[in-house]
Amino acid sequence: DVKVTQSSRYLVKRTGEKVFLECVQDMDHENMFWYRQDPGLGLRLIYFSYDVKMKEKGDIPEGYSVSREKKERFSLILESASTNQTSMYLCASSLLGTGETEAFFGQGTRLTVV
Amino acid sequence: AQSVSQHNHHVILSEAASLELGCNYSYGGTVNLFWYVQYPGQHLQLLLKYFSGDPLVKGIKGFEAEFIKSKFSFNLRKPSVQWSDTAEYFCASPGSSNTGKLIFGQGTTLQVKP
Repeated sequence: DVKVTQSSRYLVKRTGEKVFLECVQDMDHENMFWYRQDPGLGLRLIYFSYDVKMKEKGDIPEGYSVSREKKERFSLILESASTNQTSMYLCASSLLGTGETEAFFGQGTRLTVV
Repeated sequence: AQSVSQHNHHVILSEAASLELGCNYSYGGTVNLFWYVQYPGQHLQLLLKYFSGDPLVKGIKGFEAEFIKSKFSFNLRKPSVQWSDTAEYFCASPGSSNTGKLIFGQGTTLQVKP
């Protein structure tokens, strides 16, 4: 069974803290993504990576950075957490290829910044 | 800008009622479309997908969707919903990108009353 695993289901952090969200996939996928899910806004792409050490900004990268040192692992970093970053964060992976490739998602990390 | 839109944000149905959730896309060229579902507490999973060929696509759990090019639509249907269909539904597309990035609609929360 294919798997995308996010390290935490729930996190509570204080404003100004540096926050790390970790994601691991076991499908040898080239692509990995971080999305943010908010009610009424759907999923919005923060960053994606198509190879180790490669990254591209998505639609809402401000306040975030990412790291991909190994193919199976993609980390999202909130440099200085703010209350408007309270949200559900979803990691996904897919094969490199055409627009036909299906994305596989983790269970999400619900982050609350207080 | 390329976009995917879902018109129904919150739908409430009784069991055995028929379901149709709207999805419209706005881009040209090759069209690839997905419907994903997120059951309470679970990860997003693929319901069905359209790449080419027969515009009527069958998915899991009795869902189907019809691609209508002239209407830029890909509506999701199910003839008779069950309480277990209570979930959030997302329409998505890579747009004209072939990188695997997905553009998501706003999502539709479906509540099925027993």
